[in-house]
Amino acid sequence: GNSVTQMEGPVTLSEEAFLTINCTYTATGYPSLFWYVQYPGEGLQLLLKATKADDKGSNKGFEATYRKETTSFHLEKGSVQVSDSAVYFCALSEELSGGSNYKLTFGKGTLLTVNP
Amino acid sequence: NAGVTQTPKFRVLKTGQSMTLLCAQDMNHEYMYWYRQDPGMGLRLIHYSVGEGTTAKGEVPDGYNVSRLKKQNFLLGLESAAPSQTSVYFCASRLRLAGVGKTQYFGPGTRLLVL
Repeated sequence: GNSVTQMEGPVTLSEEAFLTINCTYTATGYPSLFWYVQYPGEGLQLLLKATKADDKGSNKGFEATYRKETTSFHLEKGSVQVSDSAVYFCALSEELSGGSNYKLTFGKGTLLTVNP
Repeated sequence: NAGVTQTPKFRVLKTGQSMTLLCAQDMNHEYMYWYRQDPGMGLRLIHYSVGEGTTAKGEVPDGYNVSRLKKQNFLLGLESAAPSQTSVYFCASRLRLAGVGKTQYFGPGTRLLVL
């Protein structure tokens, strides 16, 4: 079946440092790829997404490029802030039976802590 | 527009007790989902619904039942709670429009502890 592997945390950075969180996937077909963020005590929020190869998703200074050749969707940010401290989940969509419906398959999550 | 809401936020149960988690969305979404989140395991799909009156099993459905009597509500039931069901439960919803890129919107979660 499909799966998502993301780098294990926790990741601890100083403010303004460069961030990379690696994500690779195994899938049949051409899934869409997502990064979700979960701030402490809250639910998941969509951070960015890419629906086809070579697409770049971006939001709030974060970006990730859908690389089909390396089956990767690494999350990057050039200068992190304390407010970026959260758990980040990489996910892919896969079709459920019956067509037109999809479920998300998540990685295990990476805890990011940014210190001032 | 409240989005996706979940009730309750936190609950403690004893083994064998039953309870129902409520998910409500005001975005007129057709599809709704229940996930559980466990440490080091990401989120796993329990059950989902493609419309009022229809439900289907996800990856980890055992020990849970669901109902979708109204389009805006999706209930998750535990008939006889077990310690293995200690988890954080998330509800999500999305539009039916075809396309793998359609976003799922998540609720804030319900933390359940089964003693």
